Amino acid sequence: DAGVTQSPTHLIKTRGQQVTLRCSPKSGHDTVSWYQQALGQGPQFIFQYYEEEERQRGNFPDRFSGHQFPNYSSELNVNALLLGDSALYLCASSLGASGNNNEQFFGPGTRLTVL
Amino acid sequence: ILNVEQSPQSLHVQEGDSTNFTCSFPSSNFYALHWYRWETAKSPEALFVMTLNGDEKKKGRISATLNTKEGYSYLYIKGSQPEDSATYLCAFIGGTSYGKLTFGQGTILTVHP
Repeated sequence: DAGVTQSPTHLIKTRGQQVTLRCSPKSGHDTVSWYQQALGQGPQFIFQYYEEEERQRGNFPDRFSGHQFPNYSSELNVNALLLGDSALYLCASSLGASGNNNEQFFGPGTRLTVL
Repeated sequence: ILNVEQSPQSLHVQEGDSTNFTCSFPSSNFYALHWYRWETAKSPEALFVMTLNGDEKKKGRISATLNTKEGYSYLYIKGSQPEDSATYLCAFIGGTSYGKLTFGQGTILTVHP
């Protein structure tokens, strides 16, 4: 079992560009959550996908959007990049039917740098 | 806005020392509290999922306690080793959050040989 995988590992973009980050969940998991970790802070919740629908969303602008595919993998898209979007983006997978207290498994993250 | 606070921000200890750090969270609408260990260049790894007031969990030299009435959790490491050096994160889940984790800012632990 490969666990949660994310691609790419690193990415450099310029302001105004668009970016797509990808996540494959742990085998058997159906729920994917995305988090942004800025320097010196804990990860902040962006949104969560379950059964190909956005189940809930954190306090992020509409420039941040996502998608979940039938195989449960997910993409995070960010449009009109700002310098402040530079961060580590983490994907976490879990088994949705287990309820709110189930353990989440994290990928290694994608480091996005916006110049 | 939920406030999850961890203290201290960073900690330096000598090998063999025992140490502990704190996570405070809202005492209302509690559902679960997670602890994660995050080593540099690796993925965050779940240590404990705690749900009941008075819960105590243990994994090797690491243990955690939970007080939901007053809104805090302690993480203890007995006999710290250099390989325990990592960032320790706690994350709160509220009753209607569907697994949305609200993280503290983390405690960075460095264990010196």
